[in-house]
Amino acid sequence: GENVEQHPSTLSVQEGDSAVIKCTYSDSASNYFPWYKQELGKRPQLIIDIRSNVGEKKDQRIAVTLNKTAKHFSLHITETQPEDSAVYFCAASNSNTGKLIFGQGTTLQVKP
Amino acid sequence: DSGVTQTPKHLITATGQRVTLRCSPRSGDLSVYWYQQSLDQGLQFLIQYYNGEERAKGNILERFSAQQFPDLHSELNLSSLELGDSALYFCASSSGTRVGLGETQYFGPGTRLLVL
Repeated sequence: GENVEQHPSTLSVQEGDSAVIKCTYSDSASNYFPWYKQELGKRPQLIIDIRSNVGEKKDQRIAVTLNKTAKHFSLHITETQPEDSAVYFCAASNSNTGKLIFGQGTTLQVKP
Repeated sequence: DSGVTQTPKHLITATGQRVTLRCSPRSGDLSVYWYQQSLDQGLQFLIQYYNGEERAKGNILERFSAQQFPDLHSELNLSSLELGDSALYFCASSSGTRVGLGETQYFGPGTRLLVL
């Protein structure tokens, strides 16, 4: 069935360091891969996304890479700041319906 | 603010009861999605509607049902509530017209349901 695996479940880095979160999806029909940031008790907020016809996308300190052959995609945050601390979710979207299948989430802690 | 609204923000009820959660999508969006976020289970897709019609179903319990009305707002009905139904319920919306290209979903603020 449809599944998205996300690793690691927790990640602690020093301010200024880089953070990498990795996801693997199972459904070959997936064509859209968003990343959401969720602060405690708040809504998931889209931070970056990538479509299946692109291998890499960057937005300031955030970048996402996609390897369709391996069904892997990753989030890279450089020069991390304490305000980056949150739970990050990857997701894969079915091209027929658009529904999102989420990974289990990564709790990122950036220590000042 | 994503433009997606949900009411109520909080709901406390007892086991066996029935509740209705409401969602209004962003202006112009035709697709509405419902997700459940439990403490240990992350974000789980429940059901999707597009322009009034059910489009996709996830692991939604038979005790749960949803619909989308002509004005495009959606309601999620939860009945015979159990303690394990306590969770955050999010609604999201997208345009629904460019699914094949990958559409951005915008999430509402959620409804926190506590079943006692």
